[in-house]
Amino acid sequence: AQSVTQPDIHITVSEGASLELRCNYSYGATPYLFWYVQSPGQGLQLLLKYFSGDTLVQGIKGFEAEFKRSQSSFNLRKPSVHWSDAAEYFCAVVLLSGNTPLVFGKGTRLSVIA
Amino acid sequence: AAGVIQSPRHLIKEKRETATLKCYPIPRHDTVYWYQQGPGQDPQFLISFYEKMQSDKGSIPDRFSAQQFSDYHSELNMSSLELGDSALYFCASSLAGGNYEQYFGPGTRLTVT
Repeated sequence: AQSVTQPDIHITVSEGASLELRCNYSYGATPYLFWYVQSPGQGLQLLLKYFSGDTLVQGIKGFEAEFKRSQSSFNLRKPSVHWSDAAEYFCAVVLLSGNTPLVFGKGTRLSVIA
Repeated sequence: AAGVIQSPRHLIKEKRETATLKCYPIPRHDTVYWYQQGPGQDPQFLISFYEKMQSDKGSIPDRFSAQQFSDYHSELNMSSLELGDSALYFCASSLAGGNYEQYFGPGTRLTVT
């Protein structure tokens, strides 16, 4: 069964510092990969997605992610973190066969300090 | 742009009561998914519907049932509520044959006392 691993439960970064959130997936083929962000008590907002093609994808709010097939990874990055980026971040995958449910990682909580 | 609508946003029920959650997908989306997110947990898939037929089933308790109606809205019916059912329930919609993006609603927070 496919699975998603986010090794870091909680990360704290200083405002203005760079950020990298890790995501590894376990699946025989390349799945569709997503990053979602969730503010406390709020819904899930799609940050970016990877289906095929260029392995570096750009998303909203200045985020980007790089797909590395050799490492089965899809890490999320941001060059300069803002205090408003503090939230829970979920990596998710879906089977290539289409309308199948998302499988989420456990999430990484990002705290931003001044 | 229209988004996924869920109602109610908050719901408080007592143990053994029933609850009905509603989801209105983005117009022209034909697939609806239900997810349950417990406190501090990741969202877990419950059930999905495509063109009014159940397409996938996840960890949905037998006490729960759901359906998708002719106008594509969906309802999640929960009976004999337990304390452990307290969670945030998300609905997401997508367009089959599209880019597999699922768009999430704001969620319904269910509290069982």
